[in-house]
Amino acid sequence: AQTVTQSQPEMSVQEAETVTLSCTYDTSESDYYLFWYKQPPSRQMILVIRQEAYKQQNATENRFSVNFQKAAKSFSLKISDSQLGDAAMYFCAYRILNNDMRFGAGTRLTVKP
Amino acid sequence: DSGVTQTPKHLITATGQRVTLRCSPRSGDLSVYWYQQSLDQGLQFLIQYYNGEERAKGNILERFSAQQFPDLHSELNLSSLELGDSALYFCASSVGDRGGEQFFGPGTRLTVL
Repeated sequence: AQTVTQSQPEMSVQEAETVTLSCTYDTSESDYYLFWYKQPPSRQMILVIRQEAYKQQNATENRFSVNFQKAAKSFSLKISDSQLGDAAMYFCAYRILNNDMRFGAGTRLTVKP
Repeated sequence: DSGVTQTPKHLITATGQRVTLRCSPRSGDLSVYWYQQSLDQGLQFLIQYYNGEERAKGNILERFSAQQFPDLHSELNLSSLELGDSALYFCASSVGDRGGEQFFGPGTRLTVL
């Protein structure tokens, strides 16, 4: 079974600083997708960044970047220059072809002014 | 705005009742997914439809059922409701059924009293 583990239930960062959220996954598949979703207090699920497993280059979206280690089955999210609006629950998710998306339990990020 | 719409936004009902949640996917998306998020929990996959056909099933109770109509909108039917069914129900859509990101609707908050 495919599982996604987020070992940090809560994280805190000072505004303008950098924070890294951890995610590991378990799979026997070689082709899959990985995602980070943000869920602010509004509860809307917002896609932050995606990574295709076949791509060696780490994905980047503005202040958000990932460190994808395929052999280690690790997919961490780095948020640079943290802003107050980054405060939210962050979910790591994994999806293989022809299958549903599996989510981790989430990491609650607090941004301190 | 993801382009996925869900109605109603909020629903309050009593135990034993039956409700229907509705979802309209993004224009052009053929796949619809339903997820359940209980308070402070991750997302649990319920069921997926692709172009009107059931494609994958997750932890969906027998009291729950879903369908996707020819116009691609989907409905999730919850019957014999119990207190534990109180949750946020998300619908998501994607272009195909093979990998790729899913775009989430705003969710329907169901409260069972």
